[in-house]
Amino acid sequence: KQEVTQIPAALSVPEGENLVLNCSFTDSAIYNLQWFRQDPGKGLTSLLLIQSSQREQTSGRLNASLDKSSGRSTLYIAASQPGDSATYLCAVRLFLSGGYNKLIFGAGTRLAVHP
Amino acid sequence: SQTIHQWPATLVQPVGSPLSLECTVEGTSNPNLYWYRQAAGRGLQLLFYSVGIGQISSEVPQNLSASRPQDRQFILSSKKLLLSDSGFYLCAWSWTGGLTDTQYFGPGTRLTVL
Repeated sequence: KQEVTQIPAALSVPEGENLVLNCSFTDSAIYNLQWFRQDPGKGLTSLLLIQSSQREQTSGRLNASLDKSSGRSTLYIAASQPGDSATYLCAVRLFLSGGYNKLIFGAGTRLAVHP
Repeated sequence: SQTIHQWPATLVQPVGSPLSLECTVEGTSNPNLYWYRQAAGRGLQLLFYSVGIGQISSEVPQNLSASRPQDRQFILSSKKLLLSDSGFYLCAWSWTGGLTDTQYFGPGTRLTVL
């Protein structure tokens, strides 16, 4: 059974710091891995998607890496800003028969960036 | 462009009452549709998914059911709510057969069962 764990559960940092959020998964047979952002009481916004054959993806100040063999992914946030405050969710995608996919989510890391 | 709607945004219901949450998608046809629940302090859990009208698969046994009466409409229901049904319910869609495509999430419904 696939399980996804995110560490730390919560993080509070001053503005400008570089951050690393960690995600681990128990079964390396994933199709891809995705990082989402969730603002309080809101839906999810996709940040980065890394295919199982890829090692990393970058978007602006965000960089996500994937080590499939060890079951780990990290989300690196450079020069953090108060607007980055949110919960960050990691999810692995499993392929299911019938042409659709299933996401297994971690519990998230709640990030607070203070001025 | 595609948009996904959920309503209501917030709902407070007594134990034992029925439930109906609605999700609709615009701007696409024959999407895959999903219902997730996010309990306090826990990750999102997939409840149901659908690859077409009337085709519903359940991930976990529970007090809830889902239906897809139209191509772009997905409904989550319960005949009698339990306290444990409280949570944040998210609907999502993805392209049919999109193995690599992301799922696009709606704004969610906050359900509190008292």
